[in-house]
Amino acid sequence: KAGVTQTPRYLIKTRGQQVTLSCSPISGHRSVSWYQQTPGQGLQFLFEYFSETQRNKGNFPGRFSGRQFSNSRSEMNVSTLELGDSALYLCASHWGATYNEQFFGPGTRLTVL
Amino acid sequence: AQTVTQSQPEMSVQEAETVTLSCTYDTSESDYYLFWYKQPPSRQMILVIRQEAYKQQNATENRFSVNFQKAAKSFSLKISDSQLGDAAMYFCASLTEAAGNKLTFGGGTRVLVKP
Repeated sequence: KAGVTQTPRYLIKTRGQQVTLSCSPISGHRSVSWYQQTPGQGLQFLFEYFSETQRNKGNFPGRFSGRQFSNSRSEMNVSTLELGDSALYLCASHWGATYNEQFFGPGTRLTVL
Repeated sequence: AQTVTQSQPEMSVQEAETVTLSCTYDTSESDYYLFWYKQPPSRQMILVIRQEAYKQQNATENRFSVNFQKAAKSFSLKISDSQLGDAAMYFCASLTEAAGNKLTFGGGTRVLVKP
């Protein structure tokens, strides 16, 4: 069974631009969560989507948004990029119930210049 | 709110030896899960071991075992017979039903394995 895939793997943007990252979960998984990983703040939860609905949200500004499609693939969007948005963005998928094991993708490395 | 603290930024171990990584957590929930994740240089986060809070028995997965001290809110990971492939960042994480599927991570411990 294929694992979680994330595209693109690397991305370079400039301040003020917007970016869209994609995550394809393991087949059958209905939940996708997004995390931001930076050297300073560590791993922080962004949001979780389940059956095309946002089920949980972390403490990030409204510039960070996401959505989930009917095939469970998810996208996250960051508008008006800031230098501090440079990070590794990880997504994780699981079946959907609480305490299900979350499987992580390889991440997208975003660099904002 | 949950917090997870890893006090050791880096640990070094000789190949075939044992290393123990520390983790403390804080939660007001009675039902929760604890995890140790491994993140090698390839960046892919891999689940190493999980512990259900209601289970008194410490979890074990091959060379990896935990020492779960619920009263002390401590959750350490022991890596036995360390191998070069164990070199990675290790993250302790917690999850409560009240928080949904949001994992709360510690700051991580880098494990170096010396041949």
